Amino acid sequence: DAGVTQSPTHLIKTRGQQVTLRCSPKSGHDTVSWYQQALGQGPQFIFQYYEEEERQRGNFPDRFSGHQFPNYSSELNVNALLLGDSALYLCASSGGTKQFFGPGTRLTVL
Amino acid sequence: SQQGEEDPQALSIQEGENATMNCSYKTSINNLQWYRQNSGRGLVHLILIRSNEREKHSGRLRVTLDTSKKSSSLLITASRAADTASYFCATDTGRRALTFGSGTRLQVQP
Repeated sequence: DAGVTQSPTHLIKTRGQQVTLRCSPKSGHDTVSWYQQALGQGPQFIFQYYEEEERQRGNFPDRFSGHQFPNYSSELNVNALLLGDSALYLCASSGGTKQFFGPGTRLTVL
Repeated sequence: SQQGEEDPQALSIQEGENATMNCSYKTSINNLQWYRQNSGRGLVHLILIRSNEREKHSGRLRVTLDTSKKSSSLLITASRAADTASYFCATDTGRRALTFGSGTRLQVQP
């Protein structure tokens, strides 16, 4: 049984570009959450998807958007990238209370 | 924003010693979870303690929760070099969006 998977592992973009990150949840999980983790900090909640709809959102601008597909996989899109968007982006899936995290995508914005 | 704050920020001990990390939070919670992160990779779920529980054990891990003081502690007994990692507490107010602290960096010297 595969755990949470994320792609790509690393990504380098320049300011102003757009990026799409992908996440496949653990088998049997229907809820996907995205977190941003800046260097040396704890993860910060971006948003959560359930039944293909955004259920909750953290304090992030509209440049951050997402999508959940019928197979429960999810995408995180970030438009008009800023230097400050450089971070590790973590996806977590859950079917109950516990959240299981993927290995993350390291985004570097130059 | 970070709800939880871990203390200490960094901890260095010898193999075989016990390591204690503390977490404080600000609002009422449904549960509190502890995670481990190795070298900026994905988070590994360690233990979940619900708001109506005071203590929980899992192998060499012992977690306590004091809701009156809004604090929790994680004790790792008989530490090993492989326990070297960052440890985060995360609170869930019942909405399944975790709020993380800034973490404790644990270094276990062999």
